[in-house]
Amino acid sequence: EVQLLESGGGFVQPGGSLRLSCVASGFTFSSYAMSWVRQAPGKGLEWVSGISDTGGAKTYYADSVKGRFTISRDNSKNTVYLQVNSLRAEDTAVYYCAKVGGGYHAEYFQHWGQGTLVTVSS
Amino acid sequence: DIQMTQSPSTLSASVGDRVTITCRASQRISSWLAWYQQKPGKAPNLLIYKASSLESGVPSRFSGSGSGTEFTLTISGLQPDDFATYYCQQYNSYWTFGQGTKVEIK
Repeated sequence: EVQLLESGGGFVQPGGSLRLSCVASGFTFSSYAMSWVRQAPGKGLEWVSGISDTGGAKTYYADSVKGRFTISRDNSKNTVYLQVNSLRAEDTAVYYCAKVGGGYHAEYFQHWGQGTLVTVSS
Repeated sequence: DIQMTQSPSTLSASVGDRVTITCRASQRISSWLAWYQQKPGKAPNLLIYKASSLESGVPSRFSGSGSGTEFTLTISGLQPDDFATYYCQQYNSYWTFGQGTKVEIK
């Protein structure tokens, strides 16, 4: 069974930083691209960042977080990270880790974690 | 960037109704479209991928259609468990979600 477990969220002041983690199990982690998706309170889903499989040579970011967030992965630990810096009030959201599907052009999000809440406030 | 527009934003329906949600892409995305269901306080759940392929374990009352820029999600015979918010998502070029459609009890 695929499981994704996020952690690292919390309360932080504007301008602060956090590192979010997502530990994966139940599949060959290194073979799948991963992404982070967030959802502000009462709002819709917003894709934030993605990283390719194997060595994670390719990373992708939404314009809203480019230059402030950094995605990485450690395949030895079955973990994907999201370093979030220079946080703003509008970054307040539940951050979900998501695993893509398998096969050709299967970049939909087949599995999701339960989310970790980031609150940015003074 | 590809924009995704869902309609309606809210839909009131009764158990047993046939429900249709529309999603339009700002440019052609072939069939690279997925649909998700989300209930309050829970993570989204994949229903449909590649516009019309039903994810394993998803009830057959859910179906998807379309290609290019126009897509639909249909629920044939709405069940009590189906009252939720539904999102479309394109994955042709990066990823973009629609704004969501809340299906509520009439």
